[in-house]
Amino acid sequence: DVKVTQSSRYLVKRTGEKVFLECVQDMDHENMFWYRQDPGLGLRLIYFSYDVKMKEKGDIPEGYSVSREKKERFSLILESASTNQTSMYLCASSFLQGGVDTQYFGPGTRLTVL
Amino acid sequence: QKEVEQNSGPLSVPEGAIASLNCTYSDRGSQSFFWYRQYSGKSPELIMSIYSNGDKEDGRFTAQLNKASQYVSLLIRDSQPSDSATYLCAVRSGRDDKIIFGKGTRLHILP
Repeated sequence: DVKVTQSSRYLVKRTGEKVFLECVQDMDHENMFWYRQDPGLGLRLIYFSYDVKMKEKGDIPEGYSVSREKKERFSLILESASTNQTSMYLCASSFLQGGVDTQYFGPGTRLTVL
Repeated sequence: QKEVEQNSGPLSVPEGAIASLNCTYSDRGSQSFFWYRQYSGKSPELIMSIYSNGDKEDGRFTAQLNKASQYVSLLIRDSQPSDSATYLCAVRSGRDDKIIFGKGTRLHILP
């Protein structure tokens, strides 16, 4: 079974704090993704990575950065948390099988910024 | 035009009936299509993927793809209360290979 884990299920931080969200997958997947999910807005892609030390901006990268130093780990960083970054954060990883790339999600981190 | 569209629902279906969920997409070059189920407060879980025109069956679930009409649907036979969830349609873009998610349809199975 594919296993994607995230460091915290719930997190409460204060405005201005630096926040680290960690994601680890144990299936040797090349591709990893960070999304946020908000009511009425659906899933929005923040950043993704197709290889170690590689990163690409998604649709809403502002206010976020990422780090991928090892293949299995993809970190999302909120440099200075703001209240509008209160959201559910979902990490996903994917691999190419039969020519198709399928994403599998971690359990999510619900972040509240006060 | 939104890239992947779903009716937000809620769609209410009696227990034991067939639930039909629909999704349309705008990118005619899309090749891969996915259905995810998401329970409240949980992360999306992949339940079906389909790549070719026609039907693909897996247990009580059937995915249907019509590329000419640019829609993909999910049928759930013998609906159970445990099927109550939000169902997300996802499409791999033919332009840049990114997966684009619809906003989901809330399904409520009435006991």
